Amino acid sequence: KAGVTQTPRYLIKTRGQQVTLSCSPISGHRSVSWYQQTPGQGLQFLFEYFSETQRNKGNFPGRFSGRQFSNSRSEMNVSTLELGDSALYLCASSPGDVLTETQYFGPGTRLLVL
Amino acid sequence: GESVGLHLPTLSVQEGDNSIINCAYSNSASDYFIWYKQESGKGPQFIIDIRSNMDKRQGQRVTVLLNKTVKHLSLQIAATQPGDSAVYFCAETPYNFNKFYFGSGTKLNVKP
Repeated sequence: KAGVTQTPRYLIKTRGQQVTLSCSPISGHRSVSWYQQTPGQGLQFLFEYFSETQRNKGNFPGRFSGRQFSNSRSEMNVSTLELGDSALYLCASSPGDVLTETQYFGPGTRLLVL
Repeated sequence: GESVGLHLPTLSVQEGDNSIINCAYSNSASDYFIWYKQESGKGPQFIIDIRSNMDKRQGQRVTVLLNKTVKHLSLQIAATQPGDSAVYFCAETPYNFNKFYFGSGTKLNVKP
């Protein structure tokens, strides 16, 4: 079974631009969670989608948004990029039928904001 | 998935020794805990999990201990190998939420 895939793997943007990242979960998994990983803050939860609905949300500003499609693929969008948004963005999937279950991570998208 | 944190606590062990990595959590409502391993250039990889109704769980070469009284979690790796070198994170989530909170991580350095 293929693992979680994320595209693109690397991205360079400038301040003020917006960016869209994509995540394809493990086949059969319906929950997709997004995390931001930085040296200063570590791994921080952004949001979780299940069956095309946002089910859980972290403490990030409204510039960070996401969505999930009927095939469980998910995208996250960051608008009006700031230098501090430079980070590794990780996506994790789980079956989703039971809450609090193991999440499997993708390799991440490395975003650099100049 | 590169090593994160310029100031990560580092544990250095000799190959073949046992390693113990610790994690403290603050939320008494935390119900489910996972240990992840993150190697350079990769996303976190699941190692072992434990629910709050247990205090110990064993896997292959790994054991997780949970002490709810002092909100402490530990990961024990037996006969540590060079391939175990990575950053290790604990993650917790409250009951009925799929919203994980991660610890800051510990870098394990295995010396051959």
